Order: sequence, then structure tokens, then C-alpha cells
Amino acid sequence: NAGVMQNPRHLVRRRGQEARLRCSPMKGHSHVYWYRQLPEEGLKFMVYLQKENIIDESGMPKERFSAEFPKEGPSILRIQQVVRGDSAAYFCASSPRLPQSSYEQYFGPGTRLTVT
Amino acid sequence: AQTVTQSQPEMSVQEAETVTLSCTYDTSESNYYLFWYKQPPSRQMILVIRQEAYKQQNATENRFSVNFQKAAKSFSLKISDSQLGDTAMYFCAFLDSGAGSYQLTFGKGTKLSVIP
Repeated sequence: NAGVMQNPRHLVRRRGQEARLRCSPMKGHSHVYWYRQLPEEGLKFMVYLQKENIIDESGMPKERFSAEFPKEGPSILRIQQVVRGDSAAYFCASSPRLPQSSYEQYFGPGTRLTVT
Repeated sequence: AQTVTQSQPEMSVQEAETVTLSCTYDTSESNYYLFWYKQPPSRQMILVIRQEAYKQQNATENRFSVNFQKAAKSFSLKISDSQLGDTAMYFCAFLDSGAGSYQLTFGKGTKLSVIP
């Protein structure tokens, strides 16, 4: 059973460009979470999605950031008009349809975004 | 809002010795889960151990155990017989299981170095 997949692993964008980060959850998982890790910091929650629904986006910046988890395909975190402060590691995690069973979230390897 | 505090930015331990990492949290909730995650240099987030707040018995996983003091809101991690592969960042995390969002709140981490 493959783990959570994220691509690309490394992404370099110039200021003003768009960044698209992809996350494929573990097989059978229908809940996806995105977290951001700034240098020397812990992970910060951004958004929680189920298939075709955003459940909690309380951690998402109000502008330029959006996320989706379509019925088919991976979850996408999209950052428009990137700025240097967006440089960070972005982690995706997934959990089963019924997270109440253990509340464990399984993390992907992360995407390191560098904005030049 | 919940907060998680890890007061030890860095620690070191001799190989085969025992080390304890501290974590305190602040919440008004009664139903929650606590986790310790390990992040080695590869940056992959790996779940080390989980504790349900309603369980009085401390969780153990092989060489890893916790000291959960609910009244004191303390959740320390003990690593016995430390191995070189234990060198990593360790993050304490909190999840409010009654909120419906299942977002993890992380501390800033403790960098553990195991010395040969």
C-alpha cells in the first residue's frame, strides 16, 4: 500500500508566478490536510478537505491561496503570485474515511517551495 | 485556541542512554489526542506514539514511552536505549477530537542529537 504521494518534491518559482502542489492520499483515504512548515518552525495547519468539499480552511491565507480535492485525481494546493515569504515546506497528510478510529494522519514527504 | 509548547529547542544524548523530551499544552477541551512525530533529515514526518486523553495508562511503543499528566497538561516523551537513527526533530502535536476539523496543532520542535 503506497503511502501519501506529493509532487513535485522541490519547486522553484520566481516572484509573481503560480505554484501548484499535488497530493495523492493513501489508498482508501478520503480526508486530506495541508500544513506549511517555515524554517525552524513546527507545522501549521492550512486546510482540511474531503472529496469535493472544503471542511476547514481556517489556516489558509485569505488571498492567493486555494485548495481543492476533486472527485477524481489528487488534491491541489495552489498559490498564485508567489512572494518570497511563501518559501516553505508544504506537507500533505491523509486519514481514513472515519478518522475517529485513531485520528492518525499519515504524512507525505513534503514539497519544498523556493521563491526567487 | 490550543497551544503546544516545547521548551527545549535542542537536546543531546549519548548512544544507549535515556532522554526525555518535554511538551506542555493548553486547552479547555476534555476530548483530545496527543502525538509525538519524528522528522529526520529526510524531512518525512513519522508518527512515533499516540495518546488518547481519556486513557490514564501511558502509551508505549518499543523504546518510546510517554508520561501523560492530564491535570498538569504535560505530555513528555521518553526514548530509552537511544540509537543513532533517533537523531531528528521531534514535534509534539495536539488534536481536538470534538471539533470536527481534526487539525493538528504542533509545537516548535526539539532537535535531538544522539552522540556515538
